[in-house]
Amino acid sequence: KAGVTQTPRYLIKTRGQQVTLSCSPISGHRSVSWYQQTPGQGLQFLFEYFSETQRNKGNFPGRFSGRQFSNSRSEMNVSTLELGDSALYLCASSSLYGYGYTFGSGTRLTVV
Amino acid sequence: DQQVKQNSPSLSVQEGRISILNCDYTNSMFDYFLWYKKYPAEGPTFLISISSIKDKNEDGRFTVFLNKSAKHLSLHIVPSQPGDSAVYFCAAATFTGANSKLTFGKGITLSVRP
Repeated sequence: KAGVTQTPRYLIKTRGQQVTLSCSPISGHRSVSWYQQTPGQGLQFLFEYFSETQRNKGNFPGRFSGRQFSNSRSEMNVSTLELGDSALYLCASSSLYGYGYTFGSGTRLTVV
Repeated sequence: DQQVKQNSPSLSVQEGRISILNCDYTNSMFDYFLWYKKYPAEGPTFLISISSIKDKNEDGRFTVFLNKSAKHLSLHIVPSQPGDSAVYFCAAATFTGANSKLTFGKGITLSVRP
């Protein structure tokens, strides 16, 4: 069974640009969540999608957005990048109602 | 407001001894707790979980204890092995209604010395 796949693995962007990250969940998983990991802050919840609907949202500015497609694949977008957006962005998928989260390896975003 | 706290940033133990990783939470609505292990450049891997209706859950070398009155949980690893060296995250959730997000602590770096 394939795991959660995140692309790209690494990304370097310039301040002010926008970026789109992709996440393919485990087959059959309908819930996809996104987290940001930065040194000293641990993992912070961005948002969660279930059946193409955003079900929950963390305390991040509107520059951070996401969506989920009918095949459960999800994308997150960050517009007007800031240096502080440099982080590891992790995607997790789940089959049941919130249980059994499986994480991908993440996308390492560096903003210069 | 840090609802899940892992107050010790690091822990070093000798191989074969017990590792005890602690976690405190403030939100009494949390009813499910999980521990994840993370190696550099990889995503977190689920280790063990416990429901609020239990006070102990065991899986091989890993045992999680939950003290609801103290809002405290701990992960015991016995015996510790060098391959256990990683960052361990405590997470909590409330699985009611539409709220299924995980709230993580900041993690603790465990080093197991050979």
